[in-house]
Amino acid sequence: GAGVSQSPSNKVTEKGKDVELRCDPISGHTALYWYRQRLGQGLEFLIYFQGNSAPDKSGLPSDRFSAERTGESVSTLTIQRTQQEDSAVYLCASSLGSQSGELFFGEGSRLTVL
Amino acid sequence: GQQLNQSPQSMFIQEGEDVSMNCTSSSIFNTWLWYKQDPGEGPVLLIALYKAGELTSNGRLTAQFGITRKDSFLNISASIPSDVGIYFCAGQLGYNFNKFYFGSGTKLNVKP
Repeated sequence: GAGVSQSPSNKVTEKGKDVELRCDPISGHTALYWYRQRLGQGLEFLIYFQGNSAPDKSGLPSDRFSAERTGESVSTLTIQRTQQEDSAVYLCASSLGSQSGELFFGEGSRLTVL
Repeated sequence: GQQLNQSPQSMFIQEGEDVSMNCTSSSIFNTWLWYKQDPGEGPVLLIALYKAGELTSNGRLTAQFGITRKDSFLNISASIPSDVGIYFCAGQLGYNFNKFYFGSGTKLNVKP
């Protein structure tokens, strides 16, 4: 597709379960970002991938959070042993990387932990 | 992390009025971006600023990169109902585009 695609768009899970969120960036975009947005809040940086470089994981809030990216394509964000405070919209964005500072966002995955 | 102070937090205006919102930081940024987010959607880029003092327009929107590189403002002229949404500023440190810091947003309400 033309834009950043995320799935699932909505996920309801029980506390303690693991969840996996997927992001398909714009073709040709070497940089990929994950952000978390709690209700009524701004965007909180989680992790950044740029090409084959080591990812910047400095925003991951705990070791329950991890993310992977295969080359310059799909990325998955995994949250293990989910807690209620993990409830948020998880936004993925991609950009041309070192050539551009413009982020293009997906519609987000809304996670609700009961 | 870096703190971007965005104000006002929310605004209620009449259709046709002009709007101004701004972002400030204690850090120097090399890039400022302004985004709009509609309910249930991801943020959409409105304006990107790359140079101190730069003034850029996009239709009824005008944004400026502050000379001190620690602030930016966004103006919307002659507001219309579809301007309703949340506006976010974002600043980028360094030159590797590895991390953008977002303000907490300005929620704009436009009364017809």
